Amino acid sequence: EAGVAQSPRYKIIEKRQSVAFWCNPISGHATLYWYQQILGQGPKLLIQFQNNGVVDDSQLPKDRFSAERLKGVDSTLKIQPAKLEDSAVYLCASSRDRGPFEAFFGQGTRLTVV
Amino acid sequence: GNSVTQMEGPVTLSEEAFLTINCTYTATGYPSLFWYVQYPGEGLQLLLKATKADDKGSNKGFEATYRKETTSFHLEKGSVQVSDSAVYFCALSTVSAGNQFYFGTGTSLTVIP
Repeated sequence: EAGVAQSPRYKIIEKRQSVAFWCNPISGHATLYWYQQILGQGPKLLIQFQNNGVVDDSQLPKDRFSAERLKGVDSTLKIQPAKLEDSAVYLCASSRDRGPFEAFFGQGTRLTVV
Repeated sequence: GNSVTQMEGPVTLSEEAFLTINCTYTATGYPSLFWYVQYPGEGLQLLLKATKADDKGSNKGFEATYRKETTSFHLEKGSVQVSDSAVYFCALSTVSAGNQFYFGTGTSLTVIP
């Protein structure tokens, strides 16, 4: 079974620029998560999708971050404009419906904002 | 609310030493508990899990027991290897929170030969 795919692996941008990350979850997984992991900290949930719908986006900075999940499969996370404090690893994860099931994580995208 | 508190690191051990990483939690509802491991430059991988009280999760020589009375899920391994060097995250998930995962801050383990 293929794992969670993310791209790009690394991205360096200047502050105030925009950036987008892509995630393809494991086939058949209804739930998709985006986490932000700042160096030395645990992952923090940004947004959770169940199929096409948003379950929780309470910690997503909506003035600059946006996310969508197309047809309940792939997802993109966008930051516009980026700030220095957005430098982090962005992790995508997926899990089956009707938990509690473990989440499977992609390798992440390391974003550096300079 | 839901939260996880992990033992502070970093932890450095000699090969074949005994490992314990403490994890305690607070949760609304009945959580499932997980240990994830993150090797350098990689994403998180599930190490083990337990879904109800007194369950013991185990994998690759690691064990953790779900203790409801002490709200704990401590990770143990009897004899660590150099290849166990990584960051370990304790996490919980509850149905009442939409199966969102709450992570601790992580404990970095370095095993020296």
